[in-house]
Amino acid sequence: ETGVTQSPTHLIKTRGQQVTLRCSSQSGHNTVSWYQQALGQGPQFIFQYYREEENGRGNFPPRFSGLQFPNYSSELNVNALELDDSALYLCASSLNRGRNNEQFFGPGTRLTVL
Amino acid sequence: AQSVSQHNHHVILSEAASLELGCNYSYGGTVNLFWYVQYPGQHLQLLLKYFSGDPLVKGIKGFEAEFIKSKFSFNLRKPSVQWSDTAEYFCAVNPSQYSGYSTLTFGKGTMLLVSP
Repeated sequence: ETGVTQSPTHLIKTRGQQVTLRCSSQSGHNTVSWYQQALGQGPQFIFQYYREEENGRGNFPPRFSGLQFPNYSSELNVNALELDDSALYLCASSLNRGRNNEQFFGPGTRLTVL
Repeated sequence: AQSVSQHNHHVILSEAASLELGCNYSYGGTVNLFWYVQYPGQHLQLLLKYFSGDPLVKGIKGFEAEFIKSKFSFNLRKPSVQWSDTAEYFCAVNPSQYSGYSTLTFGKGTMLLVSP
């Protein structure tokens, strides 16, 4: 167990809908990163939040957006869901934002888009 | 394009066999290197990491990895695997161009099955 929690565990949505996934970071960590792991692939970086601001972004369209709250928990929002958005969404927290900080992963949210 | 390649998608070994999982990356410059493991039903967890210094890195559970800069490789090794090592293993890289934030680029993973 890493102390990073995610909710919900599983989610089923239909194409065109919107979804919000939630993550609670490990105590004392101010940085949260989100990753998408499609079936048979490694996790792919979506974006990172540091102290409530987006700190870096991968190659994902604007319909993927996020928030970080004062307690450093975070949300990932996906609008206009597409079938290819079906994946495991992983949240990772770290003590700080620099590249020498280890990331601790949560169990993930399995999203299925029908 | 910048990428991380893991040579084998599936590896099957008997207990006590030696393990080597290959990882190559295509980034130039300084990189931080990681191996993560995901046991069935569990979170991704860090096995070991390399930032600088001795290129032979020791991690948890008897795993080690060697960074060979000239080959852009960071192969994972274990001299004698156990049934409990059955898991999926991911190599990951954090290149220096992202010094302001800690993004990780992962390989596709290698599923290791150890038969008792």
